[in-house]
Amino acid sequence: SQKIEQNSEALNIQEGKTATLTCNYTNYSPAYLQWYRQDPGRGPVFLLLIRENEKEKRKERLKVTFDTTLKQSLFHITASQPADSATYLCALDTTGANNLFFGTGTRLTVIP
Amino acid sequence: DAGVIQSPRHEVTEMGQEVTLRCKPISGHNSLFWYRQTMMRGLELLIYFNNNVPIDDSGMPEDRFSAKMPNASFSTLKIQPSEPRDSAVYFCASSPGQGVEQFFGPGTRLTVL
Repeated sequence: SQKIEQNSEALNIQEGKTATLTCNYTNYSPAYLQWYRQDPGRGPVFLLLIRENEKEKRKERLKVTFDTTLKQSLFHITASQPADSATYLCALDTTGANNLFFGTGTRLTVIP
Repeated sequence: DAGVIQSPRHEVTEMGQEVTLRCKPISGHNSLFWYRQTMMRGLELLIYFNNNVPIDDSGMPEDRFSAKMPNASFSTLKIQPSEPRDSAVYFCASSPGQGVEQFFGPGTRLTVL
């Protein structure tokens, strides 16, 4: 069956360090992969999109990698801040037609 | 830009009652999505419209659920009759095209007693 796994339910790191979140998938051939941030009581907010022919994407302190051989995406937040504390969701689209399948998310806490 | 608008924000109802959730997508977006989020199952796509036409409703759990999009600026998700297991947060999202980001609304928290 199709499956998307995010490395852990919760991740705690010290302020200033780099947070690395993992998204693994099986039985998919995604056209692209997206990362979203969700704060409590709010809807997800789009962060980055990376296509199957791209290895890496950056946006300010955020970096996403996409390895279709390993079936894995890594999401990095450098120089983390307490304001980065949130749940981060990865989502795959296997058809390019906007049918997104979401992982269960990783709750990141950045400790001051 | 007001973003995606959903109403109501909270709904508490009794089992067996009809529930209607409403969504206004961002103007100019031609794709609209309904999702359901629970602790157990995470965020699940229920149905997806493109240019007001339902494209994929394979995520709709059963016949008690129905969705409509009568025009480009309005969509509804209806549950009839509602059951306690339908309790969840329901999100509406819109997108300007395929293969691009989705913009989510604030969600409707539904509690069925």
